Amino acid sequence: EIVLTQSPDFHSVTPKDKVTITCRASQYIGDDLHWYQQKPEQPPKLLIKFASQSFSGVPSRFSGSRSGADFTLTINNLEAEDAATYYCHQSRSLPLTFGGGTKVEIK
Amino acid sequence: QVQLVESGGGLVKPGGSLRLSCAASGFSFSDYYMSWIRQAPGKGMELLSYISSSGSTKYYSDSVEGRFTISRDNAENSLSLEMNSLTAGDTAVYHCARFSGGGSDWYHNPFDIWGQGAVVTVSS
Repeated sequence: EIVLTQSPDFHSVTPKDKVTITCRASQYIGDDLHWYQQKPEQPPKLLIKFASQSFSGVPSRFSGSRSGADFTLTINNLEAEDAATYYCHQSRSLPLTFGGGTKVEIK
Repeated sequence: QVQLVESGGGLVKPGGSLRLSCAASGFSFSDYYMSWIRQAPGKGMELLSYISSSGSTKYYSDSVEGRFTISRDNAENSLSLEMNSLTAGDTAVYHCARFSGGGSDWYHNPFDIWGQGAVVTVSS
């Protein structure tokens, strides 16, 4: 099973900050890594697919990148509405797995 | 409007059974692979099962294999999850979710549409 390790677990940030969340895969997964945003009492929403492709309708301040086994979700110019928990998900091989989540709190 | 709506959650005793349903609307349901994903309190997300567009291919995680059964009715645009031999460890929010695209292996795609979730509580 591929383990995805997200860091940090928690981010406390100020509006207009730049936020970086990392997801490290325990095995090679190519670009089969996706990012979701989940707000309280809501289902997850797809933000980034295949490491760096923005999903339709997602604000341009969200971007994704990959360096080897490390994947990064970057939120530029953070807005208050970005307060949420962010999850990565690998679709390289079964069982599909998710990272443990990174909670972003707005100060 | 593309939408998935779950129903059937509730409180059940250990060893009991429950059937979840997911009603799809706003898209051609029969063209997509569908899945069930759960979020347990304080735990991460877990893909439990998925089913191919025709219903001929099914996948189950080790944690539910033999206890849960996924099915779909393309004429009714509905997805179901029959859950048996439930334990406290099955307490979670259960989401149905759609795989976003095709290709030779649909599970390589992300989940682009999620339902709000059905709460399942297993307790005596």
